[in-house]
Amino acid sequence: SQTIHQWPATLVQPVGSPLSLECTVEGTSNPNLYWYRQAAGRGLQLLFYSVGIGQISSEVPQNLSASRPQDRQFILSSKKLLLSDSGFYLCACSRGDEQFFGPGTRLTVL
Amino acid sequence: RKEVEQDPGPFNVPEGATVAFNCTYSNSASQSFFWYRQDCRKEPKLLMSVYSSGNEDGRFTAQLNRASQYISLLIRDSKLSDSATYLCVVIFSGSARQLTFGSGTQLTVLP
Repeated sequence: SQTIHQWPATLVQPVGSPLSLECTVEGTSNPNLYWYRQAAGRGLQLLFYSVGIGQISSEVPQNLSASRPQDRQFILSSKKLLLSDSGFYLCACSRGDEQFFGPGTRLTVL
Repeated sequence: RKEVEQDPGPFNVPEGATVAFNCTYSNSASQSFFWYRQDCRKEPKLLMSVYSSGNEDGRFTAQLNRASQYISLLIRDSKLSDSATYLCVVIFSGSARQLTFGSGTQLTVLP
């Protein structure tokens, strides 16, 4: 079965600073990969998904971007963070219709 | 109207109780349904898929009612360790297998 790694686990960044969150997957090849954000007390919002290297689909207009430089690597970035970017960022990988999540990165923008 | 709606709770029940959660979805062409469990400050974990015929896994039973567009989760003989937020998840047809999450129902099982 697949294992999903995310780092860092927690991050505190000032407004206007850049961001790079990394997700790597083991135990599977050519996975569909996803980035979600969960704001405090709210549901999960799909940000990006990727069906292959270099293929990124964006679900909502925002201050963030994603890249997939390798088959099992998915990166979430921002050039300038906003206060509203605070949240719990989750990377997920799918097997059929089922999705499995990494441990997440908790981002606080001050 | 939200695409997937759940009663946020909280549901506070004593150990041993039976508790049921419902979830409604807006798109009649939805194709796949799941329940996830999320512990505080942790990632969601797949609890069970929901099949048209209904399915059971130990103390947990999931049902799907396509005509009324709702999904249910029944937990029997609640344990303290069942305390968590339960997320209803739907894959809508034509959505490239993207999951749409409800906001979750919070359950606390009391000793």
